[in-house]
Amino acid sequence: EIGLAQSPGTLSLSPGERATLSCRASQSVGTYLAWYQQKPGQAPRLLIFDASNRATGIPARFSGSGSGTDFTLTISSLEPEDFAVYYCQQNSHWPTFGQGTRLEIK
Amino acid sequence: QLQLQESGPGLVKPSETLSLTCSVSGGSITSSGFFWGWIRQPPGEGLECIGSINYLGGTYYKPSLNSRVTISIDTSKKQFSLKLTSVTAADTAVYFCARLTVRQLPDSWGQGTLVTVSS
Repeated sequence: EIGLAQSPGTLSLSPGERATLSCRASQSVGTYLAWYQQKPGQAPRLLIFDASNRATGIPARFSGSGSGTDFTLTISSLEPEDFAVYYCQQNSHWPTFGQGTRLEIK
Repeated sequence: QLQLQESGPGLVKPSETLSLTCSVSGGSITSSGFFWGWIRQPPGEGLECIGSINYLGGTYYKPSLNSRVTISIDTSKKQFSLKLTSVTAADTAVYFCARLTVRQLPDSWGQGTLVTVSS
């Protein structure tokens, strides 16, 4: 099973700032890496698939990059509604998720 | 707009079988490019894919759960179901049903239902 390590565990930023979240895979997943946003009491929402493709309806401030084992989710300018938990997921092999990064208001 | 809704008991006794159903509306359950699956999230923890099924009945199960999991589909009712046998407290979680792409990427989710395993 492929492990995904997300960092940092918690990120404290202010609205308008840039957020950079990382995800490292225990072995190469090519570009089969997705990012999800989850708010309390809600299901995750797909943001990015295939490392860098935005899902339908996702604002352009969300972008993804990387390949192989190292991936990044960038939120260019934080909006109040962006504060949530973010998970990466690989679907190269049996799908697994990272442990999440909590993005909180500073 | 595709909607998925989980239903089933919120409390299951240890050693018994957890059974959940997902009802699909606003879209076709027989689309060839998709699977229908279950993902769970223990309280305060991360996400775990349990397994999935396509409209022809082809299944994928998480290897470590394979001996306890059965996922089935009823296309006439636009529903698919999860059965997890011999449950323990470790199976306590919010269970989500989801639509997955052919590469097992969940792209649409139900709201989730909490199942507690306790006597």
